[in-house]
Amino acid sequence: DAKTTQPPSMDCAEGRAANLPCNHSTISGNEYVYWYRQIHSQGPQYIIHGLKNNETNEMASLIITEDRKSSTLILPHATLRDTAVYYCIVRAITSGTYKYIFGTGTRLKVLA
Amino acid sequence: KAGVTQTPRYLIKTRGQQVTLSCSPISGHRSVSWYQQTPGQGLQFLFEYFSETQRNKGNFPGRFSGRQFSNSRSEMNVSTLELGDSALYLCASSFGLADLNEQFFGPGTRLTVL
Repeated sequence: DAKTTQPPSMDCAEGRAANLPCNHSTISGNEYVYWYRQIHSQGPQYIIHGLKNNETNEMASLIITEDRKSSTLILPHATLRDTAVYYCIVRAITSGTYKYIFGTGTRLKVLA
Repeated sequence: KAGVTQTPRYLIKTRGQQVTLSCSPISGHRSVSWYQQTPGQGLQFLFEYFSETQRNKGNFPGRFSGRQFSNSRSEMNVSTLELGDSALYLCASSFGLADLNEQFFGPGTRLTVL
């Protein structure tokens, strides 16, 4: 099964870019990488996902290495409201059924 | 439109008992997924139901089961509770067969096993 590894915590200054890494060295060719975040006491919130190419939306950018063994979530201008736990998730498919493999999450603290 | 609701919000049980948790999806959503969240393991996927059928399943023992009704409401059952089952159980709904970019989460049920 695919596995995701994330650093347990990171700090980032307000206004600066936050770069959150994720290692998924066992990922297979058809497995997507998703990013969620969970702000304290709230349910998880979808941020972005990708397969091979880099992706960007209004919240963040996702950079996936060419060998797909790792990815980086970039919050271009972090604010205090971005303080949360960020989860990297691999959506694996086996025999037509899906499994979602969650990393243990990175606790991002944005500092004023 | 009402969001995903889960009942009860808090539950205390003892080892060996069984428990049933309930999830009502957003109106019109046909897929319901269940997740377990613990401080040690983080978020883990339990299973997903769509049109009353379990479609996807995580790596949990058979003590964890679920079902979905014709109105898309779902229940999750845990039998023979163990201390390690203490967790926040989250339910998420989506219109189609779950894709993580389309799910909306409920507030969760916090289960404590004594």
